[in-house]
Amino acid sequence: GAVVSQHPSRVICKSGTSVKIECRSLDFQATTMFWYRQFPKQSLMLMATSNEGSKATYEQGVEKDKFLINHASLTLSTLTVTSAHPEDSSFYICSCRGALSWGEKLFFGSGTQLSVL
Amino acid sequence: AQTVTQSQPEMSVQEAETVTLSCTYDTSENNYYLFWYKQPPSRQMILVIRQEAYKQQNATENRFSVNFQKAAKSFSLKISDSQLGDTAMYFCAFGGANSKLTFGKGITLSVRP
Repeated sequence: GAVVSQHPSRVICKSGTSVKIECRSLDFQATTMFWYRQFPKQSLMLMATSNEGSKATYEQGVEKDKFLINHASLTLSTLTVTSAHPEDSSFYICSCRGALSWGEKLFFGSGTQLSVL
Repeated sequence: AQTVTQSQPEMSVQEAETVTLSCTYDTSENNYYLFWYKQPPSRQMILVIRQEAYKQQNATENRFSVNFQKAAKSFSLKISDSQLGDTAMYFCAFGGANSKLTFGKGITLSVRP
């Protein structure tokens, strides 16, 4: 079964509203969580990396005030898209890793399709 | 910064045939991991195979194997006995010391019946 749960799988919202996406590691403690954005038939673009209990590290060009990331526990990270606009419509994917090295496998959530009207 | 290059945007293969997907990367690091991920139409990312750079032996997972050429910075994926369920986007990825996973642009693989 899935080891990373991401919710919701699909959300439609009005422009100007905020949307929260949850990412939970189900049977392991996720030291590091990653948030990606993916446009149709394109690659995954890393938005930010978060370690439990510390502030997220955002990639260049990603607005940290618009994409709020909270990694409050070892099993939960949230991405909040604030004041969403149509250009924020995209597929968002989280991934979790149980250790600081790539010797541990990386598990992906099933993704969230955000559509902003 | 690391870069991962997948130069073929799409490929097609006949069912039961063998296909090779190419990937090259650039890095100054010596210890790192390389990955191939599959993304079917469901969009769930699935790990296909993983290679540790310090291991010379090529990784294999059932019908999937890699040809890892460290000096040439090449990491190709071979899919043997292709099945219809192999139809998906495939991403090559690099995991290094900076803890970021860098993905290539991906390749769309279609398996024809």
